[in-house]
Amino acid sequence: AQKITQTQPGMFVQEKEAVTLDCTYDTSDPSYGLFWYKQPSSGEMIFLIYQGSYDQQNATEGRYSLNFQKARKSANLVISASQLGDSAMYFCAMSTSGTYKYIFGTGTRLKVLA
Amino acid sequence: ETGVTQTPRHLVMGMTNKKSLKCEQHLGHNAMYWYKQSAKKPLELMFVYSLEERVENNSVPSRFSPECPNSSHLFLHLHTLQPEDSALYLCASSQEIELADSYEQYFGPGTRLTVT
Repeated sequence: AQKITQTQPGMFVQEKEAVTLDCTYDTSDPSYGLFWYKQPSSGEMIFLIYQGSYDQQNATEGRYSLNFQKARKSANLVISASQLGDSAMYFCAMSTSGTYKYIFGTGTRLKVLA
Repeated sequence: ETGVTQTPRHLVMGMTNKKSLKCEQHLGHNAMYWYKQSAKKPLELMFVYSLEERVENNSVPSRFSPECPNSSHLFLHLHTLQPEDSALYLCASSQEIELADSYEQYFGPGTRLTVT
């Protein structure tokens, strides 16, 4: 069965520090994509970063990087130099080849402290 | 207007009412989606349209009826809803429906629905 697990319901981080949000996945399909989204209190889901299962290097987008460990089936999001505006819900999602379905995790609520 | 817009942002309706949610995407995408987001539950995919044709109906009750008149617009018609249908309803679009090739989905701000 395909599944995304986010075990941290809530996290706190001090402003300007780095934080890692955990995500593990389960799939038997060799071709898949992993996504991270941010959902502020306004409700809109904002795409942050993508990692393909065949990508050799970890994805990076500005202050966001994805720590992809294929053997462990983990795809943790690292946010460097946290800002107050990073306070939001963060969702990990997976899609497998030949499908159009995202499987979402339950999310992690991040609070950045001043 | 840019991105994906949704109206209304908030909706309160009785169980006997009929209402519609509207979604519009200005990105030239070919695929559109409806999701339901309830508290403490993962997002649930409800409907998927590709080039105005429905390709997924994820065991959604018939009291939810989608409509996609063109590739830019998506509606969700609601009738005789139940209190447990109260949730955030999110619309999304993507370039194509094949997602694993890094076609991320772009989401609208959602409609917060309360059924009384």
